[in-house]
Amino acid sequence: GAVVSQHPSWVICKSGTSVKIECRSLDFQATTMFWYRQFPKQSLMLMATSNEGSKATYEQGVEKDKFLINHASLTLSTLTVTSAHPEDSSFYICSAGAGTTTNSPLHFGNGTRLTVT
Amino acid sequence: KQEVTQIPAALSVPEGENLVLNCSFTDSAIYNLQWFRQDPGKGLTSLLLIQSSQREQTSGRLNASLDKSSGRSTLYIAASQPGDSATYLCAVRRHNTDKLIFGTGTRLQVFP
Repeated sequence: GAVVSQHPSWVICKSGTSVKIECRSLDFQATTMFWYRQFPKQSLMLMATSNEGSKATYEQGVEKDKFLINHASLTLSTLTVTSAHPEDSSFYICSAGAGTTTNSPLHFGNGTRLTVT
Repeated sequence: KQEVTQIPAALSVPEGENLVLNCSFTDSAIYNLQWFRQDPGKGLTSLLLIQSSQREQTSGRLNASLDKSSGRSTLYIAASQPGDSATYLCAVRRHNTDKLIFGTGTRLQVFP
């Protein structure tokens, strides 16, 4: 089955630093990837849609200058949390679709636990 | 605006019981609905995908039904096992968009 790899699985950083999270589709090409954020015991909130070769589309209320998304190839999207603050601590999950996204199930990475101290 | 709600929010049962998890959505103009499982601190595992034209899907002990007109889906788990303990999320995808809108989740605990 389709596999989405997310790295790192967890990261601890100091306030003011930037953190990059990678999302890779290992055995399929994903023209579109999605980035979600999840607070403890809450559901997933879509942050942005990442399109290969073009700018990401951000959801309302998500700061695009703070959460930089790059989708440089059909198998890799990155999310960079810039100038991280403790309130950015959260669980970040990416997903990607194999084939025609709207007809196929989305597959998710295992998530990245970010802790900003 | 699409809103997805899941009931109950939490459920604790002895193993062997048959379970029904509920998902409701406010906008019936969906393309498909997907059920996921999430273990603590982990990503999501896709369980079942139901297209808007379908009524149900089955995989092993899991059966998901969809009543699009009434905005409801149910996930039926037969003969529950402790390994089924996890959070179950439903998510809907609207027409002409790839976005998934997630429900609030049901935290399930099955004890021996």
